[in-house]
Amino acid sequence: EVQLVESGGGLVQPGGSLRLSCAASGFTFSSYSMNWVRQAPGKGLEWVSYISSSSSTIYYADSVKGRFTISRDNAKNSLYLQMNSLRAEDTAVYYCARDEEVERGGYYYYMDVWGKGTTVTVSS
Amino acid sequence: DIQMTQSPSSLSASVGDRVTITCRASQSISSYLNWYQQKPGKAPKLLIYAASSLQSGVPSRFSGSGSGTDFTLTISSLQPEDFATYYCQQSYSTLRRTFGQGTKLEIK
Repeated sequence: EVQLVESGGGLVQPGGSLRLSCAASGFTFSSYSMNWVRQAPGKGLEWVSYISSSSSTIYYADSVKGRFTISRDNAKNSLYLQMNSLRAEDTAVYYCARDEEVERGGYYYYMDVWGKGTTVTVSS
Repeated sequence: DIQMTQSPSSLSASVGDRVTITCRASQSISSYLNWYQQKPGKAPKLLIYAASSLQSGVPSRFSGSGSGTDFTLTISSLQPEDFATYYCQQSYSTLRRTFGQGTKLEIK
């Protein structure tokens, strides 16, 4: 079964740090790009970060650039999100999501497998 | 950044109704548009990719159309399990994979 399982969430004070992990199973992790997407309480989805299969390409949303670092370990089938200088507005459920692509005269990308999420609460 | 705007923000409908949700991009995104469904407390689920391609396992009552800046998600005959929040997302700019603000579909 294709599965993503996030962990590492919790309560942290403003200015603190947290490292999220996402364990992948049931597919060849090293062949896929990955994303982190978050959802603040009662709000919509916000894409956070992207990493290519080889880690050669990385993107961040402006809201987290300079504070968050995405990484992966293909040998361990794991994706990570290091979150520093956390703010109250970073409070959210964080999902990891697999990036799939299909070629149809151009490459179309979509997130086809999602984890159940891990909750991060930034509060004093 | 490409902005995605969905309408309406919320919608009340009955089982059996035909429902259409609209998503508009702030610039042309060709067919680089995906639709997701999310139920309370659950992860999002991919419904449609590349504007009109149905993801495997998704019921055929869901369909997507559009290109350029205007897109629609249509549910041909609402079922009880379809009451959820729906999000569009552009993948034209891989640098910023923006989502729409969501459309909450509620039971009338």
